[in-house]
Amino acid sequence: GQSLEQPSEVTAVEGAIVQINCTYQTSGFYGLSWYQQHDGGAPTFLSYNALDGLEETGRFSSFLSRSDSYGYLLLQELQMKDSASYFCAVLNTGGFKTIFGAGTRLFVKA
Amino acid sequence: EAGVVQSPRYKIIEKKQPVAFWCNPISGHNTLYWYRQNLGQGPELLIRYENEEAVDDSQLPKDRFSAERLKGVDSTLKIQPAELGDSAVYLCASSYKAGSIYEQYFGPGTRLTVT
Repeated sequence: GQSLEQPSEVTAVEGAIVQINCTYQTSGFYGLSWYQQHDGGAPTFLSYNALDGLEETGRFSSFLSRSDSYGYLLLQELQMKDSASYFCAVLNTGGFKTIFGAGTRLFVKA
Repeated sequence: EAGVVQSPRYKIIEKKQPVAFWCNPISGHNTLYWYRQNLGQGPELLIRYENEEAVDDSQLPKDRFSAERLKGVDSTLKIQPAELGDSAVYLCASSYKAGSIYEQYFGPGTRLTVT
C-alpha cells in the first residue's frame, strides 16, 4: 500500500526554526513535494526533491533521504504568516500519481 | 499570468440533487487535476487529464461522479446525485508538462455543502 505520515500539529515561536517530518511508504517513488495551505486558501507549491539531499529556497529548505523513505521541510526565521498547514506529497512512478499526506498544522506564536 | 479559476466558490445543495463545478487551468497547462479535500485532510486525487484524455480516474466514484475536459482546456466535474458524504472542498489544479507535474498550481476550490 501507499501511505505518508507527518505530525498533525507543530507549534513554534516567531523567529525560531521548525522542522516538519514526513515518512512515506510507496510502491514506486519518484519524488517528494511540499505544499503550504492557509485556512480557506489554495495549496501552494513550496519545494520538490527527487534526489537525496537538501534543497534551499529562501527561508524554506527541504530534505530527502530515499534510503530512509524520509523527508522534512525546514522553516527558518519563522513569521506569523507561516501559520498554515503543510503537506508532503509523494509523486509515484506508476502513472505519476500524486499522493498527499494528511498535513501538519503549524502554529507560530509571538 | 492568471491563476487557476474555479466556480462557484461555494455551493449548498440538498442531498440527491445534482451539482457541477467548473475549472479553467492556467493557459498552456496541459495537465489538469480534480481533487477532493475533506476537513483536516490532504487533497485526494479524483481524476487527472493529459489534454483531453483522462489518464487516471481510478479514484473517481463513477457511479455518481463524472468529469469532462472538452478541447483540452477547461473542465467540469459533476456529481449526480449528491450524498451527505460529498461535502468537501473540490480543488482543481494544473501543471505545465509531464516533466514538472510535481509542481501543481491550485485554484481556490469550491466548498460544497450537502444538506
